[in-house]
Amino acid sequence: DQQVKQNSPSLSVQEGRISILNCDYTNSMFDYFLWYKKYPAEGPTFLISISSIKDKNEDGRFTVFLNKSAKHLSLHIVPSQPGDSAVYFCAASRQLDMRFGAGTRLTVKP
Amino acid sequence: KAGVTQTPRYLIKTRGQQVTLSCSPISGHRSVSWYQQTPGQGLQFLFEYFSETQRNKGNFPGRFSGRQFSNSRSEMNVSTLELGDSALYLCASSLTGSAGNQPQHFGDGTRLSIL
Repeated sequence: DQQVKQNSPSLSVQEGRISILNCDYTNSMFDYFLWYKKYPAEGPTFLISISSIKDKNEDGRFTVFLNKSAKHLSLHIVPSQPGDSAVYFCAASRQLDMRFGAGTRLTVKP
Repeated sequence: KAGVTQTPRYLIKTRGQQVTLSCSPISGHRSVSWYQQTPGQGLQFLFEYFSETQRNKGNFPGRFSGRQFSNSRSEMNVSTLELGDSALYLCASSLTGSAGNQPQHFGDGTRLSIL
């Protein structure tokens, strides 16, 4: 029962370009969404979040967009840097229930 | 501020054995959640503890259990280990847990390998 899906296991972009990572969810009751970044041999690190009452949240180079009607979440990284190369997990939650996607491996080439 | 600390970092066990993993949350955080990460499966939720009480539980067999102490430190126990239990086990803490719409802070995990 995968309520949160990241359909692209990997993404490769050139340094300086935009990276767009996508996430879909099935449960319309989710009301809080997050993105985490994970480097090898480290735990996930919180990146950015958005409440269901908003459709956009921005923090520096990172912007998260939420399309509730499509049950779709995306993370934009502009401009992409080699240090952004990592696995990105999206997560969705409602009250005591938080679900994670399987992750997308982003590679930013110099 | 010290982060979430998990011990040990690596563990090798054989089938049928049991194992206990430990997690010390960020000071002041009362919620501790445990996740299992396997390749291609993302993070699968095991359970969450808040103020020494299990508040939420995922779809894992009863061989997986946990507890939380009065200082918010938490332990996870897996009994009768199976080959499929080989995974990275992650602990995350937050002030209020998933009930409060707050991000969780993760430890670096314990890599458990079953031979």
